[in-house]
Amino acid sequence: AQKITQTQPGMFVQEKEAVTLDCTYDTSDPSYGLFWYKQPSSGEMIFLIYQGSYDQQNATEGRYSLNFQKARKSANLVISASQLGDSAMYFCAMREVYNTDKLIFGTGTRLQVFP
Amino acid sequence: ETGVTQSPTHLIKTRGQQVTLRCSSQSGHNTVSWYQQALGQGPQFIFQYYREEENGRGNFPPRFSGLQFPNYSSELNVNALELDDSALYLCASSFSKGEGTEAFFGQGTRLTVV
Repeated sequence: AQKITQTQPGMFVQEKEAVTLDCTYDTSDPSYGLFWYKQPSSGEMIFLIYQGSYDQQNATEGRYSLNFQKARKSANLVISASQLGDSAMYFCAMREVYNTDKLIFGTGTRLQVFP
Repeated sequence: ETGVTQSPTHLIKTRGQQVTLRCSSQSGHNTVSWYQQALGQGPQFIFQYYREEENGRGNFPPRFSGLQFPNYSSELNVNALELDDSALYLCASSFSKGEGTEAFFGQGTRLTVV
């Protein structure tokens, strides 16, 4: 069964430091996409970064990078130079192409950035 | 701002009632998906519409139904509301389908069933 696992319910990081949020996935499909979303208290899911299953290089978007280890089925999000505004829930998600075209989400990690 | 708007933002309904939630997709997007997010959980896929046809459904009962209109806006209807239907309902629109298709989410409708 397709599944996303986020094992860190909460993480703390000091402002300007880097933090890694863990994500592992399980799928039998050869083609899939991995996403990270940020959800502030307002509720909107904000797209951060995407990694395709066939991409050779790790994705990078500004301060966000995705550490993709296909053999280990992991897709960790690295946030560099944390800011107070990064405090939010972070969700890892997977989209499969050959199944119902849906996003499968993990349970999320609550990140708190302190001064 | 993603260009995806949902209405209403908050709603309180009584058990047994019916509710309609609305989503206006980002301009040019022909695919809309609905998700239910219970408190403390990740979003769960309800169903998806692609060019006005249902394109897939998650593990939700038939009392959850939907529509997509020619302008690609969408509705989620829930009949016979139950207390467990209390959740944040998220709409996501995208252009076409596929593994790399980025989905843009609205701000959600927070439904409380009492």
